[in-house]
Amino acid sequence: SQQGEEDPQALSIQEGENATMNCSYKTSINNLQWYRQNSGRGLVHLILIRSNEREKHSGRLRVTLDTSKKSSSLLITASRAADTASYFCATFTTDSWGKLQFGAGTQVVVTP
Amino acid sequence: GAVVSQHPSRVICKSGTSVKIECRSLDFQATTMFWYRQFPKQSLMLMATSNEGSKATYEQGVEKDKFLINHASLTLSTLTVTSAHPEDSSFYICSALGDGYNEQFFGPGTRLTVL
Repeated sequence: SQQGEEDPQALSIQEGENATMNCSYKTSINNLQWYRQNSGRGLVHLILIRSNEREKHSGRLRVTLDTSKKSSSLLITASRAADTASYFCATFTTDSWGKLQFGAGTQVVVTP
Repeated sequence: GAVVSQHPSRVICKSGTSVKIECRSLDFQATTMFWYRQFPKQSLMLMATSNEGSKATYEQGVEKDKFLINHASLTLSTLTVTSAHPEDSSFYICSALGDGYNEQFFGPGTRLTVL
């Protein structure tokens, strides 16, 4: 079952613009992870943010986590055409035996 | 980082045949692996949890007799789609749980097409 919902479902932007997508979840979590998936390919792990963290950066990525609202956001700054992909959030809970619950995903298209 | 491979990357088979997909952790041992399926433009749906040396745990709605999982070693799990039908056509992705038990490492996926 899907724990998370992501919005928007699709996002189309120009190169150089920022892309923001949001993820909401329902239960308490240990950490939240963001993944990228290029069309027809496997998942690439982008960033993991723990429940006691509020913000994390990795290169052009910025992730926030608000456990009181059970939501997270992923910001891609200065987007590039190569950022075109689907982005998924996934939550991990300590009693889930290592399972991840994936959100529905956001399809991002960056046009040159 | 940890590397997980899948084989084959693509497979086309006739309806009624069985297909085996392998998932290997290349540079670490994984007592737990997961199998997902993904339909076009959809998210990953967990099918089952594969534990080395024991029976797999299937998610609700997943037929264990149709999707046979074997995790005979700490680096290999296999998923066999038995008597495949066109509706089984999908992208199958495996992952392996890291030592810290809070991160999964994903394979590149296997595209199954059943004619």
